[in-house]
Amino acid sequence: AQSVTQLGSHVSVSEGALVLLRCNYSSSVPPYLFWYVQYPNQGLQLLLKYTSAATLVKGINGFEAEFKKSETSFHLTKPSAHMSDAAEYFCAVSDPSNFGNEKLTFGTGTRLTIIP
Amino acid sequence: GAVVSQHPSWVICKSGTSVKIECRSLDFQATTMFWYRQFPKQSLMLMATSNEGSKATYEQGVEKDKFLINHASLTLSTLTVTSAHPEDSSFYICSARKNVVYEQYFGPGTRLTVT
Repeated sequence: AQSVTQLGSHVSVSEGALVLLRCNYSSSVPPYLFWYVQYPNQGLQLLLKYTSAATLVKGINGFEAEFKKSETSFHLTKPSAHMSDAAEYFCAVSDPSNFGNEKLTFGTGTRLTIIP
Repeated sequence: GAVVSQHPSWVICKSGTSVKIECRSLDFQATTMFWYRQFPKQSLMLMATSNEGSKATYEQGVEKDKFLINHASLTLSTLTVTSAHPEDSSFYICSARKNVVYEQYFGPGTRLTVT
């Protein structure tokens, strides 16, 4: 069984400040990990994904995440927050051995607010 | 690109009626599509996995007779909520898996309100 824990349902940062959204996972097999962003009343957009290659993954909109096996973490960061980053962020995990029928297990989400 | 559309984006129906939601992959073929349900300010919960030409696989606790899924072609999957009740009101999101690529592309969602 796999699970994802996102610490902090709400995070507020000032514009221009560092964004850090936390994600810890639990998996019995080496996982694939994803970060998605959701704007109000919209679907999810993939920010980045870890699929067992480089542990530091760069995504869209200046976001990046680092896979740390020893800490079972996949935290999302952005050096300088922008007003347009305000949204809901979801971390997700899947089992890569189940190719073709992979299921994403989502965390509960973190709402990011940017303070002008 | 990998664009997934849903129709309608918002639907209001009366209790006891049925509603059909379409999920289309516009620029790629998808043998596998997924249907999720999202309650307000909560995470996404997988309802079922839809495979082209075969029966859908439902997650535990999801009523297959209430949430009918049909994946009739490589670009279209439909979710029909039968005999809808107010507790079925939710945001329904589909995703489509691009063949060979381990990645799901999500539609914009359909908000269902049952009165």
